[in-house]
Amino acid sequence: DQQVKQNSPSLSVQEGRISILNCDYTNSMFDYFLWYKKYPAEGPTFLISISSIKDKNEDGRFTVFLNKSAKHLSLHIVPSQPGDSAVYFCAALGSARQLTFGSGTQLTVLP
Amino acid sequence: ETGVTQSPTHLIKTRGQQVTLRCSSQSGHNTVSWYQQALGQGPQFIFQYYREEENGRGNFPPRFSGLQFPNYSSELNVNALELDDSALYLCASSFIDNNSPLHFGNGTRLTVT
Repeated sequence: DQQVKQNSPSLSVQEGRISILNCDYTNSMFDYFLWYKKYPAEGPTFLISISSIKDKNEDGRFTVFLNKSAKHLSLHIVPSQPGDSAVYFCAALGSARQLTFGSGTQLTVLP
Repeated sequence: ETGVTQSPTHLIKTRGQQVTLRCSSQSGHNTVSWYQQALGQGPQFIFQYYREEENGRGNFPPRFSGLQFPNYSSELNVNALELDDSALYLCASSFIDNNSPLHFGNGTRLTVT
């Protein structure tokens, strides 16, 4: 039973355009959500987070939106750059501070 | 500031053997967690340690065990290795407060043959 789902295994966008990565969750007890980026042969790197009391959080080119009623969050990257090409994981924080991860979306930004 | 470091980077073991993976937490962090990432999947929570005691565990059998030392370094031990244990094992450290993000090491790639 996947509690955090990323239904798009891959996404390709042109440099300079917007990248939108989506994530759905089923557990209404999750109250904090994070996005991590992972390059090959490296561990996941924290990107941005959002608390369930907010619906938007911005950090430079990265914005995360949370729709609690739909149990959906998305990560927007504007403008996309070739260096953004990586696997992006959505994660939700549950009890005992354990993170539940989605299966990831491979983003490719084409020059 | 030193990040999370893991050793070894790669390891090959035979089914039935035992393995120990090591992790040094980021400076100042007091909590360490271990995750297993199988190919094509997201990381799965194994367990977390705080003050040298396990304070959370995912859906992994008892043959997965761990230790946290006073200097906040940590070990993951896996007994009676199975082929399905082949995966990337990630260590992450953080502060104990609720919303402090986890900082991950680069992982140990374990192959069980």
